[in-house]
Amino acid sequence: GQNIDQPTEMTATEGAIVQINCTYQTSGFNGLFWYQQHAGEAPTFLSYNVLDGLEEKGRFSSFLSRSKGYSYLLLKELQMKDSASYLCAVDMNRDDKIIFGKGTRLHILP
Amino acid sequence: DAGITQSPRHKVTETGTPVTLRCHQTENHRYMYWYRQDPGHGLRLIHYSYGVKDTDKGEVSDGYSVSRSKTEDFLLTLESATSSQTSVYFCAIRRDRADEQYFGPGTRLTVT
Repeated sequence: GQNIDQPTEMTATEGAIVQINCTYQTSGFNGLFWYQQHAGEAPTFLSYNVLDGLEEKGRFSSFLSRSKGYSYLLLKELQMKDSASYLCAVDMNRDDKIIFGKGTRLHILP
Repeated sequence: DAGITQSPRHKVTETGTPVTLRCHQTENHRYMYWYRQDPGHGLRLIHYSYGVKDTDKGEVSDGYSVSRSKTEDFLLTLESATSSQTSVYFCAIRRDRADEQYFGPGTRLTVT
């Protein structure tokens, strides 16, 4: 079976940095997605990592280690609008499926 | 934003009735997906399509069927709705492998 794990909830302070981890054990792997989802809305794309290493996009960065089955999303200079759920998803290479973890709900305190 | 719409956006139906949800795209993307999202479970893949008339099952396909007779439309059918199928349903599209996946606005389905 496929297993994708991420913490259920996290809390951080406005202006700080937070790291959301994702570990995966899947029968196939092509890459890893991160999505942001505000309550009552559709998920929106943040990043897609295929190669090992860190990719930076403004305040958000995503890291991947294929050998360790591990990824993280790093959010810097947190803003209140970053309060949302963050979804980790594995792109399965053998059968074109994309499988999601259960998501991490991030609360930002003023 | 990717051109993807879902209809209806909200639906209330009774147990045992058939229901069809529609996903429509204007991007000519190859891949289309149906997910359901429930508290405590996250997004779970129901069915997906990798081309016209080419579909496959996802993690939670029991009780659901799909059809894709043309590139732009992907239909999800609940032959006989049950209360356990009350959920928010999201459609997603993807141009090709190793590309980003974009989501539609979602359909909130309540089965009473």
